[in-house]
Parts: sequence; C-alpha cells; structure tokens
Amino acid sequence: ETGVTQTPRHLVMGMTNKKSLKCEQHLGHNAMYWYKQSAKKPLELMFVYSLEERVENNSVPSRFSPECPNSSHLFLHLHTLQPEDSALYLCASSPGLAVRGTQYFGPGTRLTVL
Amino acid sequence: GQNIDQPTEMTATEGAIVQINCTYQTSGFNGLFWYQQHAGEAPTFLSYNVLDGLEEKGRFSSFLSRSKGYSYLLLKELQMKDSASYLCAVKAEGQNFVFGPGTRLSVLP
Repeated sequence: ETGVTQTPRHLVMGMTNKKSLKCEQHLGHNAMYWYKQSAKKPLELMFVYSLEERVENNSVPSRFSPECPNSSHLFLHLHTLQPEDSALYLCASSPGLAVRGTQYFGPGTRLTVL
Repeated sequence: GQNIDQPTEMTATEGAIVQINCTYQTSGFNGLFWYQQHAGEAPTFLSYNVLDGLEEKGRFSSFLSRSKGYSYLLLKELQMKDSASYLCAVKAEGQNFVFGPGTRLSVLP
C-alpha cells in the first residue's frame, strides 16, 4: 500500500532541535489529518486540513506547527519538543470531510525525543 | 463529550470465531469504522457501517445498532496473522474521526 507515504520513518531529536515530518498522498483526496499514537492510548486527532485549509486544531501545543501547501502534501514542523511527545505520528487522508469514505493511513513516523 | 469503549485485550484459538464489541457515545454520527493495526504498522481499513445491520466481507463481519450505540466486529476461521489491534472509530460531528483505545487480539495455535 503506497497511497500515503511518510518520511522519515524514524526520528530521534533533542529538545532544542527543529525537525519536520512529511506526508504525501497519491489518492486524489481532499482531506488530510495528523494523529498522535502513544502507547496504550487511543489515536489522538491533532490537525485536519480540507482543501488546504485547516479546519480542526484539537488544543495541540504550539510546538507542533502544521503546514499544507497543497492537497497532496502535509507537513508537521516540530520545535522545542518534550520527552512526552515521543510517539508514533500518523498521517491520513480521506476523499473529503463530507464525503462517504474511510481514511487511509501512512506508515507513520516513530519519534523519540531525548 | 466523545467516548468509545472496547475491551483492552482478547485471546482466541486458531480456527475459532471471536467477537470484538464497541460502544460509543459521540456528538453526531456519520458512520462507524473498524481498522486493523499490526504492531508497528499503520491502521488499515476493515469495514464501514452507517445503517443498522450486518455487513459481511469474507471472514470479517461488522454489525451496527445506532439506537444502542453499539457495534461488533466478528472474525471467523481465525488465523495467526489476525493477531493485531482492532480499532473502532466513529465519524462524529464535524466529520472528524474519534477512535477507541483498540482491542489487542492474540490468536493462539
């Protein structure tokens, strides 16, 4: 399944570093999502973009900054993270917010903050 | 608020049938989804219910009762490769997906 790709797959960073996660979807979808998955916790929705406009921000700390330059690409910019931010970050896309259809997930980026 | 409940862990034997339950209370309802997630991998779509009743897809079936806020995923003829986490998710108000905590299924030989 290569409909949604994410890079890098693994990332280790210090608390003072700045890094970016990249997501690309090849499905012609109009909606894209960032999720955080921590051990033994449900998937947490972080951001939702529809047609490149942010439509949801679930009280995510400002040290996470999303960017959606077009409907195929989604970035998550990271700076001054905390160790508790270590998790699997999943990108997903769907046909559209009001369109019947499921989400397709990328393989995720395993982030470790030291 | 949004709340989805699932059992944390289940164990079953190869070749058997297992039913994973999901109850939900959400603001709005625009469909219920089941995903399978193997350790270290992304969730993959299994099934979708928006009307009451049973949806069958090969060895997997999913049932929905909207009045009871209840769904289940039925897995038949279990195979070792079915060992994974199964996530119940509801497309709620605002068209956002709300996920349950997942049920970790172990299939034993």
